[in-house]
Amino acid sequence: SQTIHQWPATLVQPVGSPLSLECTVEGTSNPNLYWYRQAAGRGLQLLFYSVGIGQISSEVPQNLSASRPQDRQFILSSKKLLLSDSGFYLCAWSPGTGATYEQYFGPGTRLTVT
Amino acid sequence: AQSVTQLDSQVPVFEEAPVELRCNYSSSVSVYLFWYVQYPNQGLQLLLKYLSGSTLVKGINGFEAEFNKSQTSFHLRKPSVHISDTAEYFCAVTWGPNTDKLIFGTGTRLQVFP
Repeated sequence: SQTIHQWPATLVQPVGSPLSLECTVEGTSNPNLYWYRQAAGRGLQLLFYSVGIGQISSEVPQNLSASRPQDRQFILSSKKLLLSDSGFYLCAWSPGTGATYEQYFGPGTRLTVT
Repeated sequence: AQSVTQLDSQVPVFEEAPVELRCNYSSSVSVYLFWYVQYPNQGLQLLLKYLSGSTLVKGINGFEAEFNKSQTSFHLRKPSVHISDTAEYFCAVTWGPNTDKLIFGTGTRLQVFP
């Protein structure tokens, strides 16, 4: 069966510090991968998605970036965090082929920028 | 632009009462619909989905939803709620042919009281 991991689970970082969040998927090949941010009391905002290694689409201009160095690894980064980057970050995957369309979510990373 | 609307940000209900969480989407020829549940500090879990076929879809935890094409709605229902159903519920839609991305509603907080 497929599983998705995210780490760290929680993170407290000062303003201006760098960020690296990691997401990995097991049990599938060539998945589509997604990064979302969920601000307190709000819905999900799609940040990036990827349909293959090195292929990244950005949905919202910001000081975040994403990379996909391996087929089942997706990394969210920032060079300098802002207070507004605080939130709950969710990684998700969906089958790269086939007519199912649903996404499967990881447990999330709670980021607090101080 | 394609959009998903969850009109109710919060729905309070007593235990064992029925509940309906509303979801409307912008019209399109082909649409695929999902409901997700999010418990505090966790990722999203798929409750049910509509891809094609019967317009009444049954999901996990006793929830069901009905796809109504003429009203562009996909409301979620449960005949008798439990305290454990307290959570955030998200409606999501993807439209053919660009089905790589889900568009999420802003969520409905279901609060079940004893």
